[in-house]
Amino acid sequence: KAGVTQTPRYLIKTRGQQVTLSCSPISGHRSVSWYQQTPGQGLQFLFEYFSETQRNKGNFPGRFSGRQFSNSRSEMNVSTLELGDSALYLCASSPEGQGHSNNSPLHFGNGTRLTVT
Amino acid sequence: AQSVTQPDIHITVSEGASLELRCNYSYGATPYLFWYVQSPGQGLQLLLKYFSGDTLVQGIKGFEAEFKRSQSSFNLRKPSVHWSDAAEYFCAVGAGDALNFGKGTSLLVTP
Repeated sequence: KAGVTQTPRYLIKTRGQQVTLSCSPISGHRSVSWYQQTPGQGLQFLFEYFSETQRNKGNFPGRFSGRQFSNSRSEMNVSTLELGDSALYLCASSPEGQGHSNNSPLHFGNGTRLTVT
Repeated sequence: AQSVTQPDIHITVSEGASLELRCNYSYGATPYLFWYVQSPGQGLQLLLKYFSGDTLVQGIKGFEAEFKRSQSSFNLRKPSVHWSDAAEYFCAVGAGDALNFGKGTSLLVTP
């Protein structure tokens, strides 16, 4: 089974621009979560999608948004980029969402490294 | 609110020595607990998880962890460390739909 695939691996953007990151979950997984990883803040939860609906959201501004398609693939969008948005963005998939089944831990992709200049 | 503390930012051990990485959590109910490992440039890989039952959990790569409710701890152990174990290790507590991660412990393995 193929793992979680995130594209692109690296992105360089300028302040004020917007960016879209893509995530393809493991086949059969319906839950996709997004996390931001920075040296200062560590891993922080952005949001989770399940069956095309946002089911949970972390404490990030509205510039961060996402969506999920009928094939469970997910995209994350960040608008009006700021220098502080530079981070590794990790996508994780699971069959039901990690809190909903004790056999549904998260499987992470290798991330997209976003650099904002 | 739930939180996870990994007291050690960096740990250095010699190859072949034993390892223990500490994790303390704060959560009102019985949490789901996890240990993940991250190699440079990679995502996170699940080492082991605890949901209920036996408090000593076995994971991949020879790792194990013990859940101690009285101490609110979930420490990760390995009897003999290999050079390939050098990585960043994250403890996480799950409640609801998100994982709350600790800040991580960076493991350096010396020859």
